[in-house]
Amino acid sequence: GENVEQHPSTLSVQEGDSAVIKCTYSDSASNYFPWYKQELGKRPQLIIDIRSNVGEKKDQRIAVTLNKTAKHFSLHITETQPEDSAVYFCAARGYSSASKIIFGSGTRLSIRP
Amino acid sequence: NAGVTQTPKFQVLKTGQSMTLQCAQDMNHNSMYWYRQDPGMGLRLIYYSASEGTTDKGEVPNGYNVSRLNKREFSLRLESAAPSQTSVYFCASSEGTQSRSEQYFGPGTRLTVT
Repeated sequence: GENVEQHPSTLSVQEGDSAVIKCTYSDSASNYFPWYKQELGKRPQLIIDIRSNVGEKKDQRIAVTLNKTAKHFSLHITETQPEDSAVYFCAARGYSSASKIIFGSGTRLSIRP
Repeated sequence: NAGVTQTPKFQVLKTGQSMTLQCAQDMNHNSMYWYRQDPGMGLRLIYYSASEGTTDKGEVPNGYNVSRLNKREFSLRLESAAPSQTSVYFCASSEGTQSRSEQYFGPGTRLTVT
């Protein structure tokens, strides 16, 4: 079945440095790849998403890249700030808008002052 | 707009008891989902409903049943609770179209089975 693998499980970076989180997916028909941020004790919230017809998307300090051939996508956060500390989840959805959305296992990002 | 609401917020059950988790959305979304999140782990899909009148199994459906009562409401039922079902349960909804796929999550239900 569909599977999404996410690495690393924990990541600690100095404030101001960049952070990169990587995911791979198994279903080659997947065409929608969202990233969610979950702060402690709160619900996940979408921060950025990308579709399979686009290789890269950027929103201020956050960017996502997609390599369909290799079936992997990455989240890049530049100029990290303390409020970036959270758990980040990648996800992938199959071809149809009615397909299930499967999440990766999450990355706990800590920003060191 | 309340978005996605879930009841109850907390629940403690004894092994073998049954209960239903309620979820409702007021965004006129087509698709609704139930996930469970165990400590330090990701979100695992239990069941989802792509549109009113349809339901499908996710990654971990065993021990659960769902009902898409109408377009607004999607309930999750535990018929005979087990300690392994101790988790935080999140309901989510999305417009469910190719162009608008963002999921909106409810606040979660923290369930403990003793």
